[in-house]
Amino acid sequence: QKEVEQDPGPLSVPEGAIVSLNCTYSNSAFQYFMWYRQYSRKGPELLMYTYSSGNKEDGRFTAQVDKSSKYISLFIRDSQPSDSATYLCAMEDPFGNEKLTFGTGTRLTIIP
Amino acid sequence: DTGVSQNPRHKITKRGQNVTFRCDPISEHNRLYWYRQTLGQGPEFLTYFQNEAQLEKSRLLSDRFSAERPKGSFSTLEIQRTEQGDSAMYLCASTLSGGFSYEQYFGPGTRLTVT
Repeated sequence: QKEVEQDPGPLSVPEGAIVSLNCTYSNSAFQYFMWYRQYSRKGPELLMYTYSSGNKEDGRFTAQVDKSSKYISLFIRDSQPSDSATYLCAMEDPFGNEKLTFGTGTRLTIIP
Repeated sequence: DTGVSQNPRHKITKRGQNVTFRCDPISEHNRLYWYRQTLGQGPEFLTYFQNEAQLEKSRLLSDRFSAERPKGSFSTLEIQRTEQGDSAMYLCASTLSGGFSYEQYFGPGTRLTVT
C-alpha cells in the first residue's frame, strides 16, 4: 500500500462547477499538507499549504485536512478552463528529512 | 526570473551514454531536492542537500546516479550508463530550511528520453 493514495481520474466537469479532489494517507507523522498544480510537461506549482488539521481558503481554492481520518481535500469553486491540469497532493513529516511524499495526481479537465 | 531554473529542459540520449542536469535554486534557499517523475505518477524523492552537504539519498538512486552541490549554490545530477528505465522528468525543488516554512518550489524539470 502506498503512503499516499489519490484517485488518478481523469475527472471532467463543466465550467463553473465545484470540484472536489481528495487524498488519503497512512503515515500519521505527516504534519504539513500541500496541493500542487501541474500543467502538461511543466514542473509542479504550489497552490495551497496547510499545517495540521483545519481549513484554509485562498480565493476560489479551499484546502481541508482531517488528520483523524487521514484525509485531505481541495475544493475549487467556480471552476475555469484554465484550472485544467493535474493536481498533486503532497505531504511532509517535519521531523524527517522534510522530503515530500506525493500522490499520483488527479487529471482534471474543465469543459467550457 | 527569480524562480528555480533547470537546464537542459529536454535531453535525448542513447542507452549507455552519460548525462548531466543542472538546477539553480532560488538564491536564498539553502535546501535543494531532486525528484523523479514518470508518466502518470507523482514525483518521487531522490536526494537532497542542506547547503553543500548531501544529507539523504533514496534507494531509487542507484550507483549510476551522483549529485553534487558545490558551494551550496547550483546542483548537478549525473546519470552514468543511462538505461531506458531512466527515462523520466527530473525535477529540482528548493526551500529555506530553519524557518517555519516547508513550501518547496519546483523548477520546470528536465525531461530525459533514453533511446
